[in-house]
Amino acid sequence: EPEVTQTPSHQVTQMGQEVILRCVPISNHLYFYWYRQILGQKVEFLVSFYNNEISEKSEIFDDQFSVERPDGSNFTLKIRSTKLEDSAMYFCASIIQGYEQYFGPGTRLTVT
Amino acid sequence: KQEVTQIPAALSVPEGENLVLNCSFTDSAIYNLQWFRQDPGKGLTSLLLIQSSQREQTSGRLNASLDKSSGRSTLYIAASQPGDSATYLCAVRRTGANNLFFGTGTRLTVIP
Repeated sequence: EPEVTQTPSHQVTQMGQEVILRCVPISNHLYFYWYRQILGQKVEFLVSFYNNEISEKSEIFDDQFSVERPDGSNFTLKIRSTKLEDSAMYFCASIIQGYEQYFGPGTRLTVT
Repeated sequence: KQEVTQIPAALSVPEGENLVLNCSFTDSAIYNLQWFRQDPGKGLTSLLLIQSSQREQTSGRLNASLDKSSGRSTLYIAASQPGDSATYLCAVRRTGANNLFFGTGTRLTVIP
């Protein structure tokens, strides 16, 4: 069964460093998402991406964040200058319009 | 803004018992509602999707219902098993939006 994959599974970085989280959505899906979950809190929406541009973003998704689909398969989330409060699980998801969202296994980001 | 609440926050039941998890949302203008399972430190597994025009969906021992007018959904688990132990998340997609709003989840423990 097709699935969303994410790499790395765990990323440790120092405050102020740039990180890139990678996702490979399901191949025939059209919409792509990033969500995050701070330990013990709700899963929160960050950004959605369709037709090579951002279609929606939350107030969390500020200028420190960017997304890209550099080729036909990968979807990346970049955090330019990480802060301690960016420590969280980051989930990628994809969807065929109107149907259920499929989530990847997540990347645990730890900022020290 | 859509707020999603799940009650109870935690539930512990003996194996074999039937149980109901509750989800409520503040804005009834929803496109669909999705139930997920999350194991500790892991990603989100989609269990059931209910479109706004539907009243319920069933998959195996799981049955989810939706009452849009009252802003409620329930997830019924029949004949619970220890392997059902996990956190169950409810997520709502608003009409006209692509992203999901998540509840805080119900942590279920099924005691053998």
